[in-house]
Amino acid sequence: ETGVTQSPTHLIKTRGQQVTLRCSSQSGHNTVSWYQQALGQGPQFIFQYYREEENGRGNFPPRFSGLQFPNYSSELNVNALELDDSALYLCASSGGTGNTGELFFGEGSRLTVL
Amino acid sequence: GESVGLHLPTLSVQEGDNSIINCAYSNSASDYFIWYKQESGKGPQFIIDIRSNMDKRQGQRVTVLLNKTVKHLSLQIAATQPGDSAVYFCAENPNTGNQFYFGTGTSLTVIP
Repeated sequence: ETGVTQSPTHLIKTRGQQVTLRCSSQSGHNTVSWYQQALGQGPQFIFQYYREEENGRGNFPPRFSGLQFPNYSSELNVNALELDDSALYLCASSGGTGNTGELFFGEGSRLTVL
Repeated sequence: GESVGLHLPTLSVQEGDNSIINCAYSNSASDYFIWYKQESGKGPQFIIDIRSNMDKRQGQRVTVLLNKTVKHLSLQIAATQPGDSAVYFCAENPNTGNQFYFGTGTSLTVIP
């Protein structure tokens, strides 16, 4: 069984740039959620994708957007990067047969905005 | 225990002792709770979950207790090992949505 994989693992951007982060869900899972984790804090929900559509969104501005593809993989896009966007971005998959709602996380993408 | 704030609560225990990590959750409508373990540089790892129709659930060396009256959750780790050193998060899921709300975490250090 393949777990959740994310890429890239680390990246550095400058203010105003755009970034795309990628996630492959765990085998059999059809739902992908994205979380932002600032240093020393718990993860905060950005949004969730199910059947290629956004299925819930947290308190994040529209410059945070996403996609889900037919194979259930997903992308997180952030436009007009700000310094406060520096964080660990976590993808979590869930859903599918046998899953009762628990989230399974990838190792994250560490974004630094300079 | 966990709380929203600037400082990460810490807990130090001797190897072999039992650990208890506490969490106060905020939403009385939450009906599903998960404990996660996060090691440095890694993503959160699922430990154990519990639904609101239960007050106790046991796993391998771990037990989760849920007190809905006072909105309190605890994670008990038996015979704590050095490999248990990590930050532990409780996450709650209100039945109104798809998102989980995480606390700020408790840092557990196991002293050999």
